[in-house]
Amino acid sequence: NAGVMQNPRHLVRRRGQEARLRCSPMKGHSHVYWYRQLPEEGLKFMVYLQKENIIDESGMPKERFSAEFPKEGPSILRIQQVVRGDSAAYFCASSEDRVTDTQYFGPGTRLTVL
Amino acid sequence: GQSLEQPSEVTAVEGAIVQINCTYQTSGFYGLSWYQQHDGGAPTFLSYNALDGLEETGRFSSFLSRSDSYGYLLLQELQMKDSASYFCAVRSNAGKSTFGDGTTLTVKP
Repeated sequence: NAGVMQNPRHLVRRRGQEARLRCSPMKGHSHVYWYRQLPEEGLKFMVYLQKENIIDESGMPKERFSAEFPKEGPSILRIQQVVRGDSAAYFCASSEDRVTDTQYFGPGTRLTVL
Repeated sequence: GQSLEQPSEVTAVEGAIVQINCTYQTSGFYGLSWYQQHDGGAPTFLSYNALDGLEETGRFSSFLSRSDSYGYLLLQELQMKDSASYFCAVRSNAGKSTFGDGTTLTVKP
């Protein structure tokens, strides 16, 4: 069984460009979570999605950030008009169940904004 | 809201036992998880406690006291490869997980 897949692993953008981060959950998992991690810091919750629904986006900035998890295809975290402060590692995790199941993490996407 | 506190750094020697504490304040608490992360790589699940008491998985054990809003991760027979960051995370009954800032464990020979 393939684990959680994220791509790209590394992404470099100039200020003002758009960044699209993709996450394919583990097979059979319908719950996806996005986290952001700055160097030497913990994982900060951004958004929790279930197929075609955003369940909790309380950790995601209201402007420039959006997320989706369509019926078919990967979950996408989209950052518009990136700024240097968006440089971070973005991790995606998936679980089979909403509450009781373990979250399995992908390898992350390292975003660098020049 | 939810907040967690854990020590920022812990150092121990090979073969020793180390305990990493985690205290939390939260609403809608469902369970406490522990994750390990090496060098900024993918966090990996270690253990989960929903009920009070000790859960043992090989060299790692985790404890939870819901009444004290407190838990700990116990690592026994430390090995060099255990050097990593360890995160506690509170799971809410709405499905959201809030992570602590992590404890960097350094194992010395």
